[in-house]
This record gives sequence, structure tokens and C-alpha cells, in this order.
Amino acid sequence: DGGITQSPKYLFRKEGQNVTLSCEQNLNHDAMYWYRQDPGQGLRLIYYSQIVNDFQKGDIAEGYSVSREKKESFPLTVTSAQKNPTAFYLCASSPGGRRQGTDTQYFGPGTRLTVL
Amino acid sequence: RKEVEQDPGPFNVPEGATVAFNCTYSNSASQSFFWYRQDCRKEPKLLMSVYSSGNEDGRFTAQLNRASQYISLLIRDSKLSDSATYLCVVNVNYGGSQGNLIFGKGTKLSVKP
Repeated sequence: DGGITQSPKYLFRKEGQNVTLSCEQNLNHDAMYWYRQDPGQGLRLIYYSQIVNDFQKGDIAEGYSVSREKKESFPLTVTSAQKNPTAFYLCASSPGGRRQGTDTQYFGPGTRLTVL
Repeated sequence: RKEVEQDPGPFNVPEGATVAFNCTYSNSASQSFFWYRQDCRKEPKLLMSVYSSGNEDGRFTAQLNRASQYISLLIRDSKLSDSATYLCVVNVNYGGSQGNLIFGKGTKLSVKP
């Protein structure tokens, strides 16, 4: 089945450790996105990538890093520089391009990160 | 002014009721509009896109008023399974290089038996 997968579903990290969240899609989408959601808050954009080997900072990129070496994969690293990393992390993809409907985003199931 | 504003609710309605959600957006250049549904502790899922002429999908009707920068979602004959948070979503850069979406904080709906 086509879709977006994220792993792990739950992740616990000790303060000061870096951790990498996985995001894979087999929808042949060009664009991929990382969001963070805190309780009672809307989604905030961390990083996005419109094409392989290129990515851009979103609204809250500090303390995060990404790579886009393959079209299917867009891993997110939460570094020790992120001061408040406990949150629900959501990865999304969209077809990309300029035609109507190509900006519709589809989400993976998310990863809940807790810093102990 | 917030980019996308929604009444947070909660809206508590009985089964079979009709309920309407409203949303306003600040950027007049916005071109794409969506409603997503998010269940508790789950990912958002696309409910429907919103077109200029308005559109309907079963019990759900979406309307867009560009002049007032206002989007609405109407749910008729509400079911218990409609209980969720409904997110209003707007794209500012349709046709451009970004295609980023701006999400409202959502309106929580609780349908009671």
C-alpha cells in the first residue's frame, strides 16, 4: 500500500542526546515536510524539502537538522540544542509542482518524543 | 493578527445535529484551502479541499468567501464518529515554489448520543 511511515511511534530521550526520527514515503511525492505539534497548539513547520538534495528552514528550525538524500526519505534529527523537544512530530508529503491539488499534504502517523 | 483563526470550541452537539465551523485567514494572496480532521493523538487527515464555488461531500459542505477571507465547514446529521478536531488550513504560495500550509489550531467537536 502507498503511504507515509514514521518510526518509532514513541521515543524517549535523555537530555543532551541527539535523536533521529525516520520518515519514508512511497507515494512518489517530490515535497516533504516536518511539523511539530504541542498540546492545544497548531502544527508548526520545522523544515521542508521541495526536491531531493534541497531543503529549507521553516518557522522553528533552531535545534533541528534534516537531510534529503533520497526522494523517499526525509529524516529529522532533534539535537541537544533544541531546548524544549518534547512534542508530537509529524511528517507529511505532497506531490509538489504548480498544478492545482499538488500542494495537498498527506501525513504519517507521527512520533511522540519525550525527553526525560 | 493570526494567520489562520478558528473558534477552539469545544462544540458539544447531539447526534443528528447540524454544526458549522468558521475560519478566517489573514493573507489575501492565499489560493488553496482545506479542512483536515484530527482524531485524538493521531495525525491530521484531509477531509476536503475548499473550492471557490463551494463544494459538498456527503454530509459535509465547505464554503469560501474570498472577499471576507472566510472559510466554513458545515456538517449535517452529525454522527458519533464525527467527534474530532477540525483544522482549517490555508496555502499562501499556490503556484509558487513553496506550497507551504498554514494550520489553524483547530475546532474540537464532540457528538453525544
